[in-house]
Formats: sequence, structure tokens, C-alpha cells
Amino acid sequence: SQQGEEDPQALSIQEGENATMNCSYKTSINNLQWYRQNSGRGLVHLILIRSNEREKHSGRLRVTLDTSKKSSSLLITASRAADTASYFCATDSYSGGSNYKLTFGKGTLLTVNP
Amino acid sequence: NAGVTQTPKFQVLKTGQSMTLQCAQDMNHEYMSWYRQDPGMGLRLIHYSVGAGITDQGEVPNGYNVSRSTTEDFPLRLLSAAPSQTSVYFCASSYVGLGYEQYFGPGTRLTVT
Repeated sequence: SQQGEEDPQALSIQEGENATMNCSYKTSINNLQWYRQNSGRGLVHLILIRSNEREKHSGRLRVTLDTSKKSSSLLITASRAADTASYFCATDSYSGGSNYKLTFGKGTLLTVNP
Repeated sequence: NAGVTQTPKFQVLKTGQSMTLQCAQDMNHEYMSWYRQDPGMGLRLIHYSVGAGITDQGEVPNGYNVSRSTTEDFPLRLLSAAPSQTSVYFCASSYVGLGYEQYFGPGTRLTVT
């Protein structure tokens, strides 16, 4: 079953506005990552936040993590048309031996209108 | 570095046919994995490997086989294709352990008729 669930499923904004996407997960995590996927392409890593971190920044990206609520948010400031893509959160887990897994949510489709 | 490469980019199979999706990486990553992506379902893990000779099942392994004879290559085999396996398949690689970003290939779009 999928660990992360993004919200909203789709988001449409105007260029220059901020975009916020949320991710909720079910079980305890070690790290949470955000990825971007342009249409028809592979996923590209954006940012990682560890379970003991509450906020992280990278350029126009800001990620927050609330482990008590089992949720994370990705904020893209001053959005551009080039930010149009699907955004996925992913949580990793380790259950012993070789059992390392990264579990993805269903994604948020962001459309930035020029 | 070429990163993660996948072949073919597109493939059409008839029900019952078999084929192998190829995946290779040149970053000396121990961890490699296969995902399928279906509309509205996000990415689901099929199989993964933490090194040569070691493979494990993911969330949706049925109908797929893998092997890992070298660090670089991680092929995915469909033994008897079914329409339910129509999907986009992504291979990814990373270092082993928690907290490493995954590098994705460009994907293979497979249609089974």
C-alpha cells in the first residue's frame, strides 16, 4: 500500500503565485523526499528532509515536516510556467536485512499559467 | 556519466509474449529498483536490489522477474505479458541506506494488447 498521499490532486495557479502541496503518511519515517516529474519524463529529486528536521529550504522551495501529524508540505514561491509538473512525496523505510524501500504517493499535478 | 538508461523507450506486446526491459546505471550505485506508474496510482515498487546477487519483492511483484548479476544492470522480465501490465516502467538507482536520493531513468512505455 502507498505510504504518502498528496493533496490536492491537482492545483492550477498563475505565474508569480505561490504553490503549496501537502503530503500525509501513515507510519513513522526516517526521511521524506520530494520529487518532480515533467510530463513523460522520469522523476527528479528536489529535496530531502530528515525526521528530526522541521523545515528546509532550497532556492524557491520550502519543505516542512510535522511528524506529530505525519504530514509534510512543499511550498514553491514565485512560481514559473516551467514549474508545471507533477510533484510526489516519498518516504523511506528499513525493516531489516536488505529491506530498504522508498514509497511514493500519488502526486499533485501543478499547472502554472503564464 | 549517462546516469540511468532504459531500453526500449516504447514497446507493444501481445498477450502472452515475453520480454525484458533493460536498465543500466554508471554511478556505481548498489541499490536499484523498478517501479510502474499508472494513471491515478502514482509509482508502485515492483522489485528492488541492494547489490549484485540480491533481489527482493516490492509492492506489486506478480508477473515480473528480476536478477542482478552485475552492479550496473538490473533487467526486468515479463514472462507472459497481460493487458494489466500496460504501464510506464521506471528504473531507479541510489546508494544503499536511508536518506539517499534516487536517480530515475527516462521510462519505458509498455502496451499489452
